[in-house]
Amino acid sequence: AQSVTQLGSHVSVSEGALVLLRCNYSSSVPPYLFWYVQYPNQGLQLLLKYTSAATLVKGINGFEAEFKKSETSFHLTKPSAHMRDAAEYFCAVSEVGGSEKLVFGKGTKLTVNP
Amino acid sequence: EPEVTQTPSHQVTQMGQEVILRCVPISNHLYFYWYRQILGQKVEFLVSFYNNEISEKSEIFDDQFSVERPDGSNFTLKIRSTKLEDSAMYFCAASQGQWNSPLHFGNGTRLTVT
Repeated sequence: AQSVTQLGSHVSVSEGALVLLRCNYSSSVPPYLFWYVQYPNQGLQLLLKYTSAATLVKGINGFEAEFKKSETSFHLTKPSAHMRDAAEYFCAVSEVGGSEKLVFGKGTKLTVNP
Repeated sequence: EPEVTQTPSHQVTQMGQEVILRCVPISNHLYFYWYRQILGQKVEFLVSFYNNEISEKSEIFDDQFSVERPDGSNFTLKIRSTKLEDSAMYFCAASQGQWNSPLHFGNGTRLTVT
């Protein structure tokens, strides 16, 4: 069964600083990997997804993530944080050819300080 | 962009009462899901629905839960006799296909059981 671990339930950065949100996954078969963002009082919005094409995936709002099979990681980065990036970020995995459900991590709340 | 619409945004009910949470998915999506998020915990898969039947359900989705899509548009989640531990944010989601198709989430219904 697949699982997702997000290191750090809270991350705080200064505006303009690098954002790094960590995600490690466990899957017995090749995974599909996703990052979702949740702004206050809103639903989950897809940021980006990895589906076995390029290992470096670019998403919306300047975010990107790199799939590293050897490290079973899919960390989310953004070179320069903006105040509007403050939200909760969820990493999720589904299995190629397996269960269609998404398994989510616990989420990381990003705070951006002026 | 078309949205997944959920109603109500907040539902308060007494323990033992039945509740129905409603979702209007995007019209050309074929796969429908319910997820829930208990405060401070992971987003958890409840059930998936395709071609007018349940395709997968989690251990959370016991006999107290049911889903249906009676009129081809609304997708509902019914909890027959609510318990305190059913208090959570419930998210409806829809996708065009399986596995690597992104899920489009609604803004959620916050259910409070007193």
